[in-house]
Amino acid sequence: GENVEQHPSTLSVQEGDSAVIKCTYSDSASNYFPWYKQELGKGPQLIIDIRSNVGEKKDQRIAVTLNKTAKHFSLHITETQPEDSAVYFCAASRADTGKLIFGQGTTLQVKP
Amino acid sequence: GAVVSQHPSWVICKSGTSVKIECRSLDFQATTMFWYRQFPKQSLMLMATSNEGSKATYEQGVEKDKFLINHASLTLSTLTVTSAHPEDSSFYICSAQSGTGGFEQYFGPGTRLTVT
Repeated sequence: GENVEQHPSTLSVQEGDSAVIKCTYSDSASNYFPWYKQELGKGPQLIIDIRSNVGEKKDQRIAVTLNKTAKHFSLHITETQPEDSAVYFCAASRADTGKLIFGQGTTLQVKP
Repeated sequence: GAVVSQHPSWVICKSGTSVKIECRSLDFQATTMFWYRQFPKQSLMLMATSNEGSKATYEQGVEKDKFLINHASLTLSTLTVTSAHPEDSSFYICSAQSGTGGFEQYFGPGTRLTVT
């Protein structure tokens, strides 16, 4: 069945450094790839997303890239800040079902 | 915009009782709502998809008679955990997707259920 693999599971960076989280998906029909940030005890918050007709999207310090051929997509956070510390999830979905298949999550720790 | 609320935020119930969790889209109409459960330090697992006015579609392995889902309006879906047991203790999260053709799903804040 559909599967999304996410790496790394944990990531620790110094404040100001960049962080990169990578995901691969198995269903070639997937066409929507959101990223969520989840803080402890809260629901996931959509931070950026990309559709399959776009290769890259940027929103201030956050960017997402998509390689449809390789079925890879990545989240890039630049100039990290302590408040970026959270669990980040990638997901993939296809238009006909709308169901999100989530990656396993990455715990990002930004050290001041 | 795109705010989703859940109620209650946490609930403790005794084994054998039923608990209802509400999910509301506050500023948009949600033709589709999704229910997830999340165990500590794990990812979100989709339980079911509900479309307004029709029966929910459950994922494989999710008991439809135990997790009753109702999506009676474009802004409200409910999940009822029937005859709850301690193993049902989890974090339940809903998401809502608008009917305007967008892909985005917006998540509620979650409901922590503890069954004693």
